Amino acid sequence: DQQVKQNSPSLSVQEGRISILNCDYTNSMFDYFLWYKKYPAEGPTFLISISSIKDKNEDGRFTVFLNKSAKHLSLHIVPSQPGDSAVYFCAASASPTIFGNEKLTFGTGTRLTIIP
Amino acid sequence: ETGVTQTPRHLVMGMTNKKSLKCEQHLGHNAMYWYKQSAKKPLELMFVYSLEERVENNSVPSRFSPECPNSSHLFLHLHTLQPEDSALYLCASSQDWANTEAFFGQGTRLTVV
Repeated sequence: DQQVKQNSPSLSVQEGRISILNCDYTNSMFDYFLWYKKYPAEGPTFLISISSIKDKNEDGRFTVFLNKSAKHLSLHIVPSQPGDSAVYFCAASASPTIFGNEKLTFGTGTRLTIIP
Repeated sequence: ETGVTQTPRHLVMGMTNKKSLKCEQHLGHNAMYWYKQSAKKPLELMFVYSLEERVENNSVPSRFSPECPNSSHLFLHLHTLQPEDSALYLCASSQDWANTEAFFGQGTRLTVV
């Protein structure tokens, strides 16, 4: 059972336009969400996160929106640049228990290609 | 450079071989992780070490054996693997086990023949 879903395996966007990557989750216990970016032959790199107490978090060109009622989050990149071409993973975790267990659950990733 | 280094970058091994993957971090982190990334599947958490003690083992077959001799090093010992174990194995570290922002290594691309 996939608790974090990225239904679009790939996305192509013109340079300068907005890229919107989507992620859906099913576990209502998730309250912390992250986006990772992965270039070929490299490990994922943390990009941006959002806690469930917020519905928006912005960092430069990157903004993550969270819709808790829809169990949906999205990553907006604007303006898109060629260097943004990568695979983007959505990840989620639930609040730590007293044992500190905050296992991340990842989606399958979306390959973003920015067209010059 | 993320501060997490994995070696080797690529490994081809037969099903009867024994090999080890190595991960090293110089970030002063207390938690280290092994993840498996198979094609078209989510990243799978395999093992978690916190302060050199294994705190999580996600039903990983015994042919994968982790070792954490100190807080900077993590190994994954491999023996009698199957072709379906071919994947990208990623090591990560975080400040502590409760910190969900992890730094990943570049991964070891493993092919079992």
